[in-house]
Amino acid sequence: AQTVTQSQPEMSVQEAETVTLSCTYDTSESNYYLFWYKQPPSRQMILVIRQEAYKQQNATENRFSVNFQKAAKSFSLKISDSQLGDTAMYFCARPFGNEKLTFGTGTRLTIIP
Amino acid sequence: GAGVSQSPSNKVTEKGKDVELRCDPISGHTALYWYRQSLGQGLEFLIYFQGNSAPDKSGLPSDRFSAERTGGSVSTLTIQRTQQEDSAVYLCASSRRGTGANVLTFGAGSRLTVL
Repeated sequence: AQTVTQSQPEMSVQEAETVTLSCTYDTSESNYYLFWYKQPPSRQMILVIRQEAYKQQNATENRFSVNFQKAAKSFSLKISDSQLGDTAMYFCARPFGNEKLTFGTGTRLTIIP
Repeated sequence: GAGVSQSPSNKVTEKGKDVELRCDPISGHTALYWYRQSLGQGLEFLIYFQGNSAPDKSGLPSDRFSAERTGGSVSTLTIQRTQQEDSAVYLCASSRRGTGANVLTFGAGSRLTVL
C-alpha cells in the first residue's frame, strides 16, 4: 500500500521548546526521497526539509532536523527552539512512482506564547 | 513567474454549475500537479501533467472532473455539475520534473464552496 501515516492530529508546545512530529510510511524501494511540508494559515505549502533514503546522515535545516530510521520506515521532524511562526499544519510526504507525491493526514502544530 | 499562481483564490457557486480553476506554474517547470484538500484533511492527489500530457489521471474522483494543460504551461481544472462534496481547496504545484527528487512548489490554492 502507498501510505504515509501521521499519528498525531494535533500538538501544542510552549514557545522555545522542542517538539517532534512523527511519520511512518510504506515502501518496497531501496532509494527514495522523503519530505516535510508546512502549511501555515495562509494556505501556502512550503517545503521544510528533504531526506534522501540512501544518505545515512539525517537532514538538517537550521532549527529543523529529521530522525530517519530506514529499517523502521520512520521519518520524524524535530523543531528546536520553536517560534510562533512555526504554527501550521505539517505534512509528511513521499513520492510513489516518481510522479505522485503522497501526503500524510497532517499534524496541526500550535506554538503557545 | 516567480511562483505558482492560482485563480480564483475563492469561488462560491451553486450546486449544478460548472467551475474552472486555473494554475500558472513556474516558468520552465515541466511537471504540474493538482491536489484537493478537504477541510481539515490531507492532500488528495487528482492529476499529474508532464508537459501537456497527463500520464496519471487516477485521482480524478469522477467524470465530472477534467483537466488540461496547454503550451506546457497554464493548466485548467474543470468541475462540471458541481456537488456540495466538491467543496474544498484545490492546490496546484509544479516542479522541474517528476517528484522523485524534485521539490514541489505550491500555489496558494483555490477555495471552492458549493452551496
